[in-house]
Amino acid sequence: SYELTQPPSVSVSPGQTASINCSGDKLGDKYACWYQQKPGQSPVLVIYQDRKRPSGIPERFSGSNSGNTATLTIGGTQAMDEADYYCQAWDYSTVVFGGGTKLTVL
Amino acid sequence: EVQLVESGGGLVQPGGSLRLSCAVSGFTFSDHYMDWVRQAPGKGLEWVGRTRNKANSYTTEYAASVKGRFIISRDDSKNSLYLQMNSLKTEDTAVYYCVREGVEDQFDYWGQGTLVTVSS
Repeated sequence: SYELTQPPSVSVSPGQTASINCSGDKLGDKYACWYQQKPGQSPVLVIYQDRKRPSGIPERFSGSNSGNTATLTIGGTQAMDEADYYCQAWDYSTVVFGGGTKLTVL
Repeated sequence: EVQLVESGGGLVQPGGSLRLSCAVSGFTFSDHYMDWVRQAPGKGLEWVGRTRNKANSYTTEYAASVKGRFIISRDDSKNSLYLQMNSLKTEDTAVYYCVREGVEDQFDYWGQGTLVTVSS
């Protein structure tokens, strides 16, 4: 079965750029989405189709996808961005999520 | 305003059954594919399955972990999505989210989730 791999944790200083990777076999041939989940809350879509932002998502969130790796980049990271982030892709007609990355802003 | 409200969660014994419901509002439910996603306590997200819309014959897909035990259905006249869970196992313990699929297959709206606990 298809798998997506994320680092368990990433740390970033306020105002700096955070990058979270998601790797999978030929992931660049699929579309990747990214979700943000804060403690006790439901996930929120922050990036879809590799690089598109839903309305209401700040411009500091961006995405890319090539080869075997999709990347979520948060420019000028703020304390409010501290959360778990999940990548997601479709494998034929089923959905695969990465294991999640805890982003710490310190 | 798009709203998805799950209900029906609770405590059930292993081997038992439970039916979750999701009432939606704020969009044309019948146009959209709908999914269930779950999250075990302290763990990551796991896709459960999806139902397509009427135009695509309401066909369903399931994760291997629930196939043959769970059934997803919908009632467009009631703007409601359902998840019938049978032969429940302790590993099915999770918060279950009702999720709308956008036109580009993204999960663009999520409910608040309902907790299912499978325990004796």
